[in-house]
Amino acid sequence: LAKTTQPISMDSYEGQEVNITCSHNNIATNDYITWYQQFPSQGPRFIIQGYKTKVTNEVASLFIPADRKSSTLSLPRVSLSDTAVYYCLVVPQRAAAGNKLTFGGGTRVLVKP
Amino acid sequence: IAGITQAPTSQILAAGRRMTLRCTQDMRHNAMYWYRQDLGLGLRLIHYSNTAGTTGKGEVPDGYSVSRANTDDFPLTLASAVPSQTSVYFCASSDQTDTQYFGPGTRLTVL
Repeated sequence: LAKTTQPISMDSYEGQEVNITCSHNNIATNDYITWYQQFPSQGPRFIIQGYKTKVTNEVASLFIPADRKSSTLSLPRVSLSDTAVYYCLVVPQRAAAGNKLTFGGGTRVLVKP
Repeated sequence: IAGITQAPTSQILAAGRRMTLRCTQDMRHNAMYWYRQDLGLGLRLIHYSNTAGTTGKGEVPDGYSVSRANTDDFPLTLASAVPSQTSVYFCASSDQTDTQYFGPGTRLTVL
């Protein structure tokens, strides 16, 4: 199972773009990169998943270079409500449930006024 | 559609007592999970179930047991609670894309 490394915390200001980079040097061919968001006192929420290149949805964009050893979650024009912990996971395709999914410490993003 | 519900929302429990945390989903997902999250840390997997009738151990299974009698319910039992089991417990389920959907959590304090 590929280990992920991401910054412990990041500060930003309202209206700015926030980019969180996650390293996953040992990612396997069939692994996907998945990001979750967790607000205080809530369970994590899926925000985006990708395999390579770029994926965009209404919440974020995910950039994955050709070697797939890292990925960058981009949050455009953040607001105070984007303050949360963001987790990067490497998920095997069609994984057996449970023990192949690991949440690390995540990146604590604080958006300031 | 409720998604995933957990009960109770919070509980204070005396050490040595037995406690069952309830989890129910209405999305007909095959896989379900239990995690614990300690203050300021990430989630750690306790037990999981790929489908009704099967269960497996996660990263931190000791002191916990689960059952999966049907698709919707996945209760977590602490047979004899200890203070180190004070944590926030999250139940989750996943669809065929492996996306996990989490419940609101149960905050458990063992004294």
